[in-house]
Amino acid sequence: DVKVTQSSRYLVKRTGEKVFLECVQDMDHENMFWYRQDPGLGLRLIYFSYDVKMKEKGDIPEGYSVSREKKERFSLILESASTNQTSMYLCASSMNNYGYTFGSGTRLTVV
Amino acid sequence: KNEVEQSPQNLTAQEGEFITINCSYSVGISALHWLQQHPGGGIVSLFMLSSGKKKHGRLIATINIQEKHSSLHITASHPRDSAVYICAVVSNFGNEKLTFGTGTRLTIIP
Repeated sequence: DVKVTQSSRYLVKRTGEKVFLECVQDMDHENMFWYRQDPGLGLRLIYFSYDVKMKEKGDIPEGYSVSREKKERFSLILESASTNQTSMYLCASSMNNYGYTFGSGTRLTVV
Repeated sequence: KNEVEQSPQNLTAQEGEFITINCSYSVGISALHWLQQHPGGGIVSLFMLSSGKKKHGRLIATINIQEKHSSLHITASHPRDSAVYICAVVSNFGNEKLTFGTGTRLTIIP
């Protein structure tokens, strides 16, 4: 089975901190995605990547950046965390036409 | 109007009942996914459909491409089926991005 591993399950950070959320997949998937999930708003795409060093903005990229230096790893970076970035963050990977696999999520609280 | 609409938003049923969750979408798609999310956050992919019908255990998913509609059925529902069920579509614009419905919260009472 494909595994998508997110480095932290729960995270508490202070306003203004730089925050790194790490995601690793183990099945050589080309596509990787970062979503955030908020009550009443559902899942929204932040950034995605089709290949190493390639990235594209999703629907809500403001305040975030990403890095994909290796195929298996896709990092989400909050340059200066703010309280409105408190959310559940979900990473996913996919191979074209072969379905999605999601990580178990990181619940980030910014205080 | 959202591109992906689910109904109902909330559903409570007795154990053993037959459950149907509906999904309608307004864009051309290459695939439709049904996802399950239990309390605590993790999302599991149940089905990926591009046509017809798929069955896995007590779960059945169908899709009608012409009508832009899909249904997820659960037979002989059980309390462990209690979760949020999310419909998501991959548009046919040549990428793998998902567009999500807002989810259906299912509660099965013993």
